[in-house]
Amino acid sequence: GENVEQHPSTLSVQEGDSAVIKCTYSDSASNYFPWYKQELGKGPQLIIDIRSNVGEKKDQRIAVTLNKTAKHFSLHITETQPEDSAVYFCAALYSGGGADGLTFGKGTHLIIQP
Amino acid sequence: DVKVTQSSRYLVKRTGEKVFLECVQDMDHENMFWYRQDPGLGLRLIYFSYDVKMKEKGDIPEGYSVSREKKERFSLILESASTNQTSMYLCASSLSPPMTTFRSYTFGSGTRLTVV
Repeated sequence: GENVEQHPSTLSVQEGDSAVIKCTYSDSASNYFPWYKQELGKGPQLIIDIRSNVGEKKDQRIAVTLNKTAKHFSLHITETQPEDSAVYFCAALYSGGGADGLTFGKGTHLIIQP
Repeated sequence: DVKVTQSSRYLVKRTGEKVFLECVQDMDHENMFWYRQDPGLGLRLIYFSYDVKMKEKGDIPEGYSVSREKKERFSLILESASTNQTSMYLCASSLSPPMTTFRSYTFGSGTRLTVV
């Protein structure tokens, strides 16, 4: 099955600086890579996702890059703000029809220092 | 706004009890999932269902069972609760798309279960 590794487990950055979280996956058939943000006391919420036929996707201050050859993908947050503090999870999935479960990384606790 | 609702935020049960965790979604999603979340281990898939009365084992099904009698409701059952099942349990749902469409999950807020 799929295995997703996520680094770092904790990331502390100064407000206004950029944050980068990296993930690798093992199954070359995986073709969908979402990122989730989980705030305290809440369930994870999708913030951005990317398909395997795209190398980069951007949504305001958030971007995701995918390197299929190396089987890794990264989340980039620019101009970080206090509300970006949360746990972030990457995930991978082979979406070939039918149902299957996302495989998640272990999460990164992002701390934005004022 | 789409919603996945988990019936309890916090639950305390005794070892050996039969425990039911309920999840209801109002989005007419075909797929429903149960994950458990533990510090340092991330989210691990327990069971999922892609249709009424259908179920598939995830990565860690041991000690759990599920029930999906109606499309909107997916129940996780701990037949005989043990202390190592103390965890945060998250339910999620998603659509079954055509082959060319990707789908995202909608998660509930979680149930924190403590087994004493």
